[in-house]
Amino acid sequence: DTGVSQNPRHKITKRGQNVTFRCDPISEHNRLYWYRQTLGQGPEFLTYFQNEAQLEKSRLLSDRFSAERPKGSFSTLEIQRTEQGDSAMYLCASSLWTGPYNEQFFGPGTRLTVL
Amino acid sequence: AQSVTQLDSHVSVSEGTPVLLRCNYSSSYSPSLFWYVQHPNKGLQLLLKYTSAATLVKGINGFEAEFKKSETSFHLTKPSAHMSDAAEYFCVVSDLVGSQGNLIFGKGTKLSVKP
Repeated sequence: DTGVSQNPRHKITKRGQNVTFRCDPISEHNRLYWYRQTLGQGPEFLTYFQNEAQLEKSRLLSDRFSAERPKGSFSTLEIQRTEQGDSAMYLCASSLWTGPYNEQFFGPGTRLTVL
Repeated sequence: AQSVTQLDSHVSVSEGTPVLLRCNYSSSYSPSLFWYVQHPNKGLQLLLKYTSAATLVKGINGFEAEFKKSETSFHLTKPSAHMSDAAEYFCVVSDLVGSQGNLIFGKGTKLSVKP
């Protein structure tokens, strides 16, 4: 399968714990995006990378969130001291950026439940 | 600021009847518009995209959308619904002001198809 993959698919944690998610994009894609989707809502942009550089962070991305993309390949999203409000589906997408019409390819998501 | 508004949160049709999912957009620039579909427990999939080459855009699975600048609309249609079309549909605009790449999603329209 050459699509975008995300691990784990589900994560249940207790409030205050740290969690880390991984995204493996399509190999030749230079851009990688993270989105968050809560129940009944559309995905909301969190941050994106062009190669290894993190170029933009949404205001939704509090100081407890950090994302990395070492070597411009896979990416990790870490949430420290989780809160119940962090419960959501975290989506990763990748694209080969040549302009705003480029399609983003989405992974299946990681569903986080904070108890 | 760019945004999209999906006018219906839920649409129900009978199998074999036409589908109309409505979307209005707001953009100061010539927009990049997309429709994505999300089936339960599956990743978001691109249905079609508007690239300014043609106002009537054909997508996968028999869907099409028409870009109407005068009405700031990008409605999604299909002549005959199939049971497998039941899913959540998102109208999306590409952010051309900020990161020039991240996607701004509508809240989604859930399509139900009755036998």
